[in-house]
Amino acid sequence: AQSVTQPDIHITVSEGASLELRCNYSYGATPYLFWYVQSPGQGLQLLLKYFSGDTLVQGIKGFEAEFKRSQSSFNLRKPSVHWSDAAEYFCAVGERGGADGLTFGKGTHLIIQP
Amino acid sequence: KAGVTQTPRYLIKTRGQQVTLSCSPISGHRSVSWYQQTPGQGLQFLFEYFSETQRNKGNFPGRFSGRQFSNSRSEMNVSTLELGDSALYLCASWQGQKYNEQFFGPGTRLTVL
Repeated sequence: AQSVTQPDIHITVSEGASLELRCNYSYGATPYLFWYVQSPGQGLQLLLKYFSGDTLVQGIKGFEAEFKRSQSSFNLRKPSVHWSDAAEYFCAVGERGGADGLTFGKGTHLIIQP
Repeated sequence: KAGVTQTPRYLIKTRGQQVTLSCSPISGHRSVSWYQQTPGQGLQFLFEYFSETQRNKGNFPGRFSGRQFSNSRSEMNVSTLELGDSALYLCASWQGQKYNEQFFGPGTRLTVL
């Protein structure tokens, strides 16, 4: 069965500093990977997705992620965070291109220090 | 283009009651997926409907059911509510083909007392 691990429950970063959120997945075939962001009381917004091609994926709001098959990882990065980036971030994997539902990690809560 | 609409946004019920939640997908999208989000279990897939047919189902008891109408709007129903059903219920709207992006609604916050 597929699974997603986000090792960091909370991460605190100073405004303007760089950010990396970790995601490891377990899936037999080529995974369909996502990063979503959720602000308090809101639904999920897609930041970026990967299913083939260039392993470095650019997303919205200045985020990027790199797919590393050898490490089963899909880490999210941003060179300089803004206070508005404070939110919950979820990594997800979709079997059969998402057709069988998405399996989400437990999420990483990002706190931005002024 | 209007986004995904979920109604109601907040709901309070008591144990043993039943509840129906509604999701209106983005115009042109034929598939709706439902997810339950709780602090303990995180986000879990409930089921997915495509062109009025349930195509996939997660590991939830039969108390959780759903349906989809010809206009792609979807409802989910939970019968005999339990305290543990308190959660944020999210629906995702998408075209229904592999690798299509799934767009999430704001969710319905269900509290069971």
